[in-house]
Amino acid sequence: GAVVSQHPSRVICKSGTSVKIECRSLDFQATTMFWYRQFPKQSLMLMATSNEGSKATYEQGVEKDKFLINHASLTLSTLTVTSAHPEDSSFYICSARGAGDEHGYTFGSGTRLTVV
Amino acid sequence: EDQVTQSPEALRLQEGESSSLNCSYTVSGLRGLFWYRQDPGKGPEFLFTLYSAGEEKEKERLKATLTKKESFLHITAPKPEDSATYLCAVGGLDDYKLSFGAGTTVTVRA
Repeated sequence: GAVVSQHPSRVICKSGTSVKIECRSLDFQATTMFWYRQFPKQSLMLMATSNEGSKATYEQGVEKDKFLINHASLTLSTLTVTSAHPEDSSFYICSARGAGDEHGYTFGSGTRLTVV
Repeated sequence: EDQVTQSPEALRLQEGESSSLNCSYTVSGLRGLFWYRQDPGKGPEFLFTLYSAGEEKEKERLKATLTKKESFLHITAPKPEDSATYLCAVGGLDDYKLSFGAGTTVTVRA
């Protein structure tokens, strides 16, 4: 089945530094990738949608200069949290959509970001 | 704006005690309704996609049904390994985004 690899699974960084999270579709081409943020015991909050080769579309309230998304190929999307602060600490998850909906959207395993 | 409401928020079951989870939704045009399972600290795992009212899908002890306003996820004779948070999401016809509900956390006791 479709697999999405997300790295790193956990990262701790100092306040003010930047962190890059990678999301790769291993066995299919992801026409669209999505980035979510999830707070404890809450649902997934969509941050942005990215299509290969084009600029990401950010949801209302998400700072595009803080959360940089690059979708350079059909199998790779990256999220960079710039100048991270403690309030950016969260669980970040990517998902990828292939050719259709019958098999759903495949999610990565998530990245736990802690900013100290 | 698409909206998804799941109930109950939490469900504690005895092993073998069947139950149902509810997902109420509003969407201008339904492209698909999706059910996912999420274990703590992990990404959601796809379960089902339902497309139109009256559709049903089954997988092991899980059965999902769909009406024009809601979907149910029935868990038959659950086992402890069915303990997880179950998420419902809808996709509209305008784009490929999914709107998620807050989830139902199911705990099955042996």
